[in-house]
Amino acid sequence: GAVVSQHPSWVICKSGTSVKIECRSLDFQATTMFWYRQFPKQSLMLMATSNEGSKATYEQGVEKDKFLINHASLTLSTLTVTSAHPEDSSFYICSASSPRNYGYTFGSGTRLTVV
Amino acid sequence: EDQVTQSPEALRLQEGESSSLNCSYTVSGLRGLFWYRQDPGKGPEFLFTLYSAGEEKEKERLKATLTKKESFLHITAPKPEDSATYLCAVQADYKLSFGAGTTVTVRA
Repeated sequence: GAVVSQHPSWVICKSGTSVKIECRSLDFQATTMFWYRQFPKQSLMLMATSNEGSKATYEQGVEKDKFLINHASLTLSTLTVTSAHPEDSSFYICSASSPRNYGYTFGSGTRLTVV
Repeated sequence: EDQVTQSPEALRLQEGESSSLNCSYTVSGLRGLFWYRQDPGKGPEFLFTLYSAGEEKEKERLKATLTKKESFLHITAPKPEDSATYLCAVQADYKLSFGAGTTVTVRA
């Protein structure tokens, strides 16, 4: 079946630094990748959608200069949280889909803690 | 705007005690309704996709059904390993809108 690998699974960083999270589709080509954020006991909130080779489309209220998304290949998308602050601490999850893999396969998530 | 409401928020069951979870939705042009299971600290794990009213799908102790306004996830004779948060999501165009989930705890 379709597998999406997300790294790191957890990261702790100091306030003001940047953190990069990788999302890879291992056995299929992901034309579209999605990035979500999840707070404790809350559901997944879509942050942005990225298509390979195109600029990401951000949801309303999401700062595109703070959450940089790159989707340079059909198997890799990255989310960089720039100048992280404690309020950016959250669980970030990626998802990938493709025309053949209709459906949405999720990564295992990244727990970001900013201290 | 697409809306997805799940109830109850939490469900505590005794092992073997069957129950149902509800997902009510409002969406323009439903392309699919998805059920996922999420364990603590993990990403969602795909369970089912339903496309049209009247459709049903089963997997082990789980059965999902769909009407024009809601979906149900039935858990038959649950076991402790069925403890998880169950998420419902609707697809209208190319993206998913999620409900807040139902956290199921099954006691042995």
